[in-house]
Amino acid sequence: DAKTTQPNSMESNEEEPVHLPCNHSTISGTDYIHWYRQLPSQGPEYVIHGLTSNVNNRMASLAIAEDRKSSTLILHRATLRDAAVYYCILRDPNYGGSQGNLIFGKGTKLSVKP
Amino acid sequence: KAGVTQTPRYLIKTRGQQVTLSCSPISGHRSVSWYQQTPGQGLQFLFEYFSETQRNKGNFPGRFSGRQFSNSRSEMNVSTLELGDSALYLCASSLGAGNTGANVLTFGAGSRLTVL
Repeated sequence: DAKTTQPNSMESNEEEPVHLPCNHSTISGTDYIHWYRQLPSQGPEYVIHGLTSNVNNRMASLAIAEDRKSSTLILHRATLRDAAVYYCILRDPNYGGSQGNLIFGKGTKLSVKP
Repeated sequence: KAGVTQTPRYLIKTRGQQVTLSCSPISGHRSVSWYQQTPGQGLQFLFEYFSETQRNKGNFPGRFSGRQFSNSRSEMNVSTLELGDSALYLCASSLGAGNTGANVLTFGAGSRLTVL
């Protein structure tokens, strides 16, 4: 699986937008970009994923660069509950049929100030 | 629908003992994977099971093993416990078939193991 690079930490104010960047310069043409987050004392939870086009769901938006070498997770209005570690992960659909082995990096620890 | 259920949530063992952790996946999910999370190493993949067969394995010693039952429930076992095995053990389930790149994992809350 290709690697991703994220900042170690970021801070945000409550009710302001947050842009979490991820670099993946070695991404292949078939890799999907996934984001998970882990709140304190919980297991990771899925946030969003995409392949080429920007994606929106009830939790967040995913903006993917045209060359796909970077992406940005956008939380439109941060709340205190969004304080978590956010992981950007690449998923290869051709990886031998295995679906369970995500490769987690260190992620970005997001702090939200009231 | 019910999420991924892991039991027990907390347990304390001593060195040399063995431990078994259980995971019940989301109904209809056939893939179950296990992860170890420690402050130093972060989240590391242990193994994945699909239709009662181990489909993939991470870089862990043979003391770590697992199995999956016909109802997709899974157990993992750690024998001859060491202090370094203290960690949060997470289970995740997914459909297990179709587009690997697009399928998402649903994680349980984890089993926190402390080895004294």
